[in-house]
Amino acid sequence: DIQMTQSPSSLSASVGDRVTITCRASQGISNYLAWYQQKPGKVPNLLIYAASTLQSGVPSRFSGSGSGTDFTLTISSLQPEDVATYYCQKYNSVPLTFGPGTKVEIK
Amino acid sequence: EVQLLESGGGLVQPGGSLRLSCAASGFTFSNYAMSWVRQAPGKGLEWVSSISGTGGSTYYADSAKGRFTISRDNSKNILYLQRSGLRVEDTAVYYCAKEAAAAADYYMDVWGKGTTVIVSS
Repeated sequence: DIQMTQSPSSLSASVGDRVTITCRASQGISNYLAWYQQKPGKVPNLLIYAASTLQSGVPSRFSGSGSGTDFTLTISSLQPEDVATYYCQKYNSVPLTFGPGTKVEIK
Repeated sequence: EVQLLESGGGLVQPGGSLRLSCAASGFTFSNYAMSWVRQAPGKGLEWVSSISGTGGSTYYADSAKGRFTISRDNSKNILYLQRSGLRVEDTAVYYCAKEAAAAADYYMDVWGKGTTVIVSS
């Protein structure tokens, strides 16, 4: 099975900072990659699919890129409401594996 | 409005069984695959199982194979997860999620609020 890794596992940044999270697949998955945001105590929420397509209603400060094995989620200007854990997920085939998550905090 | 409402969680002893349900509304249920995703306390998301829109295809994580059965009733718009041989490590919040396509290998665009299962003696 394809394994998903994320880095860093956690980060602390200031409001307004540009934040980048990396997701890596152990084998190529084309662009079958989604990103989810889970705020503390809340339900996961889809941010991006097809590696770079923003889900309706998601703020434009979020963006995704990548293809094959390496992907990134970027928050162009971190806001207090972005405090959350971010997960990537592959969906080229089952199993629909999630990455271990990246916890984002405000410095 | 698209809504998913899970039920059936609770406290169960190791080795016991439990059936989770997820009532769907606001979309044509049979047109979309559905999944169960769980999250153990303080841990990340773990995909458990998916079922195609027709119910003809089902898929399981290795941790669920042989113990969990996913099914759906498209006439009632309900998704199920029957679990047997429960283990302490099955303790988690179980989320029902709608996939964005009929085939059961897609991303999840709508999530329920989750139901908590605690396996303990």
